[in-house]
Amino acid sequence: GDSVTQMEGPVTLSEEAFLTINCTYTATGYPSLFWYVQYPGEGLQLLLKATKADDKGSNKGFEATYRKETTSFHLEKGSVQVSDSAVYFCALSPSFVGGGNKLTFGTGTQLKVEL
Amino acid sequence: DAGVTQSPTHLIKTRGQQVTLRCSPKSGHDTVSWYQQALGQGPQFIFQYYEEEERQRGNFPDRFSGHQFPNYSSELNVNALLLGDSALYLCASSQWGVEDTQYFGPGTRLTVL
Repeated sequence: GDSVTQMEGPVTLSEEAFLTINCTYTATGYPSLFWYVQYPGEGLQLLLKATKADDKGSNKGFEATYRKETTSFHLEKGSVQVSDSAVYFCALSPSFVGGGNKLTFGTGTQLKVEL
Repeated sequence: DAGVTQSPTHLIKTRGQQVTLRCSPKSGHDTVSWYQQALGQGPQFIFQYYEEEERQRGNFPDRFSGHQFPNYSSELNVNALLLGDSALYLCASSQWGVEDTQYFGPGTRLTVL
């Protein structure tokens, strides 16, 4: 079945450091890929997405590129801020089957950014 | 534009009881999915509703059931609660056959004692 593997956390960085959170997936066909962010005590917010190979999703300085050849969707940001501290989830949605879809999530990576 | 709303925010139940959680989808969305997120884990898919029918189901026992109403809102029911059912229950909405992005509500925190 479909699965998503994320790097273990927590990841602790100083403000303005470069961020990479690794994500690899296993799925048949051509799934859509997502990054969601969860702040303490809240639900999930969509951060970015990519729907086909070589697509780059971007939002709020975060980027991730859909790499079919390596089945990866690594999250990057050039300069993190304290406000980026949260848990980040990589997820996939299989190719549409009859119009519906479900998300398969990784276990999440906690990011802590310090001054 | 109202986003996904869920109620209640928090709930405390005892083992063996039954619970009902509620969700209203984002305006313009017709599909509701439910997820269970245990502490420190990623969300796990429970089921998805469209046109008042369950369309997909994850690996959850029959104690978990749901319903969708004509206005697209949805309920998640859990019977015979177990301690292991303690989790954050997330509702997500989307548009059937149009877009595969799901938008999440703030969740309901269920504690089973």
